[in-house]
Amino acid sequence: GAGVSQSPSNKVTEKGKDVELRCDPISGHTALYWYRQSLGQGLEFLIYFQGNSAPDKSGLPSDRFSAERTGGSVSTLTIQRTQQEDSAVYLCASSLDRGRPNTIYFGEGSWLTVV
Amino acid sequence: GESVGLHLPTLSVQEGDNSIINCAYSNSASDYFIWYKQESGKGPQFIIDIRSNMDKRQGQRVTVLLNKTVKHLSLQIAATQPGDSAVYFCAENGYNQGGKLIFGQGTELSVKP
Repeated sequence: GAGVSQSPSNKVTEKGKDVELRCDPISGHTALYWYRQSLGQGLEFLIYFQGNSAPDKSGLPSDRFSAERTGGSVSTLTIQRTQQEDSAVYLCASSLDRGRPNTIYFGEGSWLTVV
Repeated sequence: GESVGLHLPTLSVQEGDNSIINCAYSNSASDYFIWYKQESGKGPQFIIDIRSNMDKRQGQRVTVLLNKTVKHLSLQIAATQPGDSAVYFCAENGYNQGGKLIFGQGTELSVKP
């Protein structure tokens, strides 16, 4: 597709369950980012992939959160043993390179609700 | 710690008026600032950016002002239109941090026809 694609767009899960959120970046983009946006708040950085380099995981809030990027393209964000405070919109973004943010394009996000 | 914050959570303006959205940042090492627009149900969309070696930058109907002395950033929207209604975020970035951005809370702009 032309833009960053995320799935599912909405997910309701029970507390304690694991969830996987998927991101398809723009074709050819080597950098991929995950952000989290709680209701009425700004975006919180989670993790950043650039090419074959080790990802920057400094924003992951706990060890229940993990992400991988296979083949330098699609990425999956996994949240284990979900908690109610994990409820948020999870936004993926991609850019051509490790350039400045004016080249970053965001997806529409995955709304996660933990009940 | 590092933070970027907004002075006003909501702003309501009349169509055709100019809008000013303000932002304060605390990290003096930040050297690049960005404004994003986020419409309901969508991801943030880049509007305009400015580097720390500048104090003003203009785009189409938008102007960003940077005052490094007081660590203040503003977004001015000229002749505000109903399509400008959205939440606006400022974000800061440091040298060599790639896309790792620190976002402010956001200001909701409402344009009355």
